[in-house]
Amino acid sequence: LAKTTQPISMDSYEGQEVNITCSHNNIATNDYITWYQQFPSQGPRFIIQGYKTKVTNEVASLFIPADRKSSTLSLPRVSLSDTAVYYCLAKETGANNLFFGTGTRLTVIP
Amino acid sequence: KAGVTQTPRYLIKTRGQQVTLSCSPISGHRSVSWYQQTPGQGLQFLFEYFSETQRNKGNFPGRFSGRQFSNSRSEMNVSTLELGDSALYLCASSLGGLAGGNQETQYFGPGTRLLVL
Repeated sequence: LAKTTQPISMDSYEGQEVNITCSHNNIATNDYITWYQQFPSQGPRFIIQGYKTKVTNEVASLFIPADRKSSTLSLPRVSLSDTAVYYCLAKETGANNLFFGTGTRLTVIP
Repeated sequence: KAGVTQTPRYLIKTRGQQVTLSCSPISGHRSVSWYQQTPGQGLQFLFEYFSETQRNKGNFPGRFSGRQFSNSRSEMNVSTLELGDSALYLCASSLGGLAGGNQETQYFGPGTRLLVL
């Protein structure tokens, strides 16, 4: 059974780069890894998605090593509005079940 | 374009009852997925429907079921409610859904908060 784990919480000062890692074993070899952001009382919101190596968009970067047993979300120069819970999402290999990570609560400090 | 809408937003039921939750996807989206979110278990995948067919399924008991209509709207039903079913139920829609490697961007609704007493 696939399992995805993340650090429970992280604190960072404004303007710093934040890296959040998700460990995922037994994920589908041909499926993407996706990261979502969730604010209180709202549904998750898509941040970035990748399959391997590095992907960058206007808000974040995603690093996925060759073995795909982990992925790292990188948020450059965080601001107070980035305070939220961040989740990774991956699909279990050989199955049609998806797994969210345990979630990382990021607190950005002024 | 309107976002994903879920009704009702809040619901209180008692043990043993059943409940039906509704989700209207973004116009043009054919995939609807359902998730349960609790403080203890986090976000858990229930199932995905695409073109009225269940395509992916999580590890939930048969008391949790769903369906999708021809207009892509979806309903989720939970029968014989238990206290542990108290949770935020989220639905998400996407164009092509979660098939194969193409895990398309999902757009989440605000959720239905269910309290079972």
